[in-house]
Amino acid sequence: AQRVTQPEKLLSVFKGAPVELKCNYSYSGSPELFWYVQYSRQRLQLLLRHISRESIKGFTADLNKGETSFHLKKPFAQEEDSAMYYCALPGEAGTALIFGKGTTLSVSS
Amino acid sequence: DGGITQSPKYLFRKEGQNVTLSCEQNLNHDAMYWYRQDPGQGLRLIYYSQIVNDFQKGDIAEGYSVSREKKESFPLTVTSAQKNPTAFYLCASSRQGVTADTQYFGPGTRLTVL
Repeated sequence: AQRVTQPEKLLSVFKGAPVELKCNYSYSGSPELFWYVQYSRQRLQLLLRHISRESIKGFTADLNKGETSFHLKKPFAQEEDSAMYYCALPGEAGTALIFGKGTTLSVSS
Repeated sequence: DGGITQSPKYLFRKEGQNVTLSCEQNLNHDAMYWYRQDPGQGLRLIYYSQIVNDFQKGDIAEGYSVSREKKESFPLTVTSAQKNPTAFYLCASSRQGVTADTQYFGPGTRLTVL
């Protein structure tokens, strides 16, 4: 069955430090993976999806099929990056997304 | 932040009562979804609908019901059979109902059972 694991509940870093939010998945076939972000008092929104291979707000994520991972990275964290981050992939029906439990990123100065 | 709206923002319910949460979208999206968000649990899928007049159960459908009579609307009813309904409920929509596409989320409804 499809599953998403985000092993860290909370990640605290200092401004300017590198950030890596971990996501591991279980999926039969070739997955379409997503990162969603929820800033304080804002809606949950798409940050990036692996198929587009874009860099959004300095974040990137590379799909590693061998390690079944889709870690989210940013070389220099900013305070405005503080938020809840969710990794997601399609469920068995192929449409509705299955989300991980989320990682709270806290960036302090 | 238009596109997908949820009402009310806060909802209080007495035990034994059914309540209905509203979700409307004007994005012309085919698919709509309901998730429940609890601290430490992430988002869990309650129901989803790929097309009008059709919907499927998600992972935690027990105690909930939905309808999809119009493309724009996907209301969720939390029934008295739901054992622990206090939570934050998120509605979402996406263009395609067949393959995974970007989901757009509403602002959420916080339900509290008194």
